[in-house]
Amino acid sequence: SQTIHQWPATLVQPVGSPLSLECTVEGTSNPNLYWYRQAAGRGLQLLFYSVGIGQISSEVPQNLSASRPQDRQFILSSKKLLLSDSGFYLCAWSVRLSGNTGELFFGEGSRLTVL
Amino acid sequence: AQSVAQPEDQVNVAEGNPLTVKCTYSVSGNPYLFWYVQYPNRGLQFLLKYITGDNLVKGSYGFEAEFNKSQTSFHLKKPSALVSDSALYFCASWNSGNTPLVFGKGTRLSVIA
Repeated sequence: SQTIHQWPATLVQPVGSPLSLECTVEGTSNPNLYWYRQAAGRGLQLLFYSVGIGQISSEVPQNLSASRPQDRQFILSSKKLLLSDSGFYLCAWSVRLSGNTGELFFGEGSRLTVL
Repeated sequence: AQSVAQPEDQVNVAEGNPLTVKCTYSVSGNPYLFWYVQYPNRGLQFLLKYITGDNLVKGSYGFEAEFNKSQTSFHLKKPSALVSDSALYFCASWNSGNTPLVFGKGTRLSVIA
């Protein structure tokens, strides 16, 4: 069966410090991968998605970047965090191409607090 | 462009009463529609989806949703609410290909004992 792992689960960082959140998927190949941010327990904002290694689509211009160095690994980064980067970050995956019915499978999330 | 609307920020219901969480969609072509639930500090969990066929879709934890093409709605329902159903619920739509799901803003459900 497929599983998705996100870490760290909780992170407290000072303003101006770097960020790295990691997500890996097991039990599947060639997944589509996604990063979402959720502020204050409300709606989801799609930040990045990737349909393959090195292929990243950015949905919202911001202080963050994403990379996909391996097929099942998706990393969210920042060089200098802002207070507004605080939130709950969710990684998700979906089946790619012909097997895709749109269903997303989410990780357990990473809560980032920037002080 | 496709969009999903959840008109209620908050729904309150007494335990044992039926519950409805509303969702309307705007999608060209035949929509794939989803409901997800999120408990505090957790990721989203899949509840159910409509692709084609029977308009009444049954999902996890006793939830069901009714697809209504004429009203472009996909409301989530449960005959008898439990306190443990209290959570944030998201409706979502998908068109095709490798495009991401489009989510509504979420509805917070509170079931009061």
